[in-house]
Amino acid sequence: SYELTQPPSVSVSPGQTARITCSGDALPNQYAYWYQQKPGQAPVLVIYKDSERPSGIPERFSGSSSGTTVTLTISGVQAEDEADYYCQSADSSGTYQVFGTGTKVTVL
Amino acid sequence: EVQLVESGGGLVKPGGSLRLSCAASGFIFSSYSMNWVRQAPGKGLEWVSSISSRSNYIYYADSVKGRFTISRDNAKNSLYLQMNSLRAEDTAVYYCASPLYYSNFDYWGQGTLVTVSS
Repeated sequence: SYELTQPPSVSVSPGQTARITCSGDALPNQYAYWYQQKPGQAPVLVIYKDSERPSGIPERFSGSSSGTTVTLTISGVQAEDEADYYCQSADSSGTYQVFGTGTKVTVL
Repeated sequence: EVQLVESGGGLVKPGGSLRLSCAASGFIFSSYSMNWVRQAPGKGLEWVSSISSRSNYIYYADSVKGRFTISRDNAKNSLYLQMNSLRAEDTAVYYCASPLYYSNFDYWGQGTLVTVSS
């Protein structure tokens, strides 16, 4: 079955930039989405269609895509950004949804 | 305001069955596909199943195919997940999630916990 691979963890100091990658074979042909999940809460969409930001999401969140890898960038990280982040996309047919393995962002 | 409220979770023995419900409000339920996503304790998100607005397209993850059945009642603004032949590895918080503006998972419920244990 199709998989999206993320690094398990990323650590960053406040004010610095965090970058989280997500790799998958179908990403050149399928949009990627990014979700933030804090403990005990449901996920929240932070990036859609590779690089678009939903209303209400701070500008420090941005997304990019290159080949089979998409990247979520958090610029000027704040303590409140400490959370788990998941990429999400579909298989090559667009039929089956898949979530990435998840990345825990720790703000030092 | 969009609201998704799951119910029906609980403790069930291996091999047992459970039916989850998701009550939707704040949007035109009958116009949108719907999804179930689960999260095992301390683990990541796993897409479980999707159903189109008129129930003519239904998809399942390989891990639940043949055991789980997704359905909806547009007149009642409700989504369901019938779970049979439950296994310990099905233990998770189950979320219903809906698209609206940006993605297939714009809005999420608070989740309902399913525990499969003897």
